Amino acid sequence: DSGVTQTPKHLITATGQRVTLRCSPRSGDLSVYWYQQSLDQGLQFLIHYYNGEERAKGNILERFSAQQFPDLHSELNLSSLELGDSALYFCASSVVQGGTEAFFGQGTRLTVV
Amino acid sequence: GENVEQHPSTLSVQEGDSAVIKCTYSDSASNYFPWYKQELGKRPQLIIDIRSNVGEKKDQRIAVTLNKTAKHFSLHITETQPEDSAVYFCAASPYLRGGADGLTFGKGTHLIIQP
Repeated sequence: DSGVTQTPKHLITATGQRVTLRCSPRSGDLSVYWYQQSLDQGLQFLIHYYNGEERAKGNILERFSAQQFPDLHSELNLSSLELGDSALYFCASSVVQGGTEAFFGQGTRLTVV
Repeated sequence: GENVEQHPSTLSVQEGDSAVIKCTYSDSASNYFPWYKQELGKRPQLIIDIRSNVGEKKDQRIAVTLNKTAKHFSLHITETQPEDSAVYFCAASPYLRGGADGLTFGKGTHLIIQP
């Protein structure tokens, strides 16, 4: 167990819908990173929050957004969902910035039908 | 941005033999290089990492080497066991450059240990 908690584990939704994925980082970790894993694109960095502030964006679509709350948990919002958004979404947390020693949650498997 | 190439995509070795996975990176600012192991349907797990001020690091049967001049790093697993079967990902990050960027991953190597 990495100490990073993601909910839900599985999510099935229809095209055009909006979903919210939740991540609770390890106790004491200030950084939360979101990654998308798909067969064709591999593991791709989406966005990074540090202590409530957005620090970097990767390959994140405009339909996607995230935030980190004062208790340091984070949410990834995916809207106007398309079939191609079906993937595993991971969050990872680390004490400091820079992705060092990042520990991954178990992921949310999103299926868009 | 950073680009990480990983080879081979599939590696099959006999149990007890060694396995080597190689990665190259493009951004000379990258100075943190972790390796993750991912079993089917599970989360990536950090198995070893190395920073640019170190050329080699070992942890039991696992070792990582880094050549900053050539911009490549490798994972070495000795005395392979069936439980080593998984997909392995290398990654790179510019740790000291503000530290904000996430990890850039290679495409992964499916390691198969043959009994």
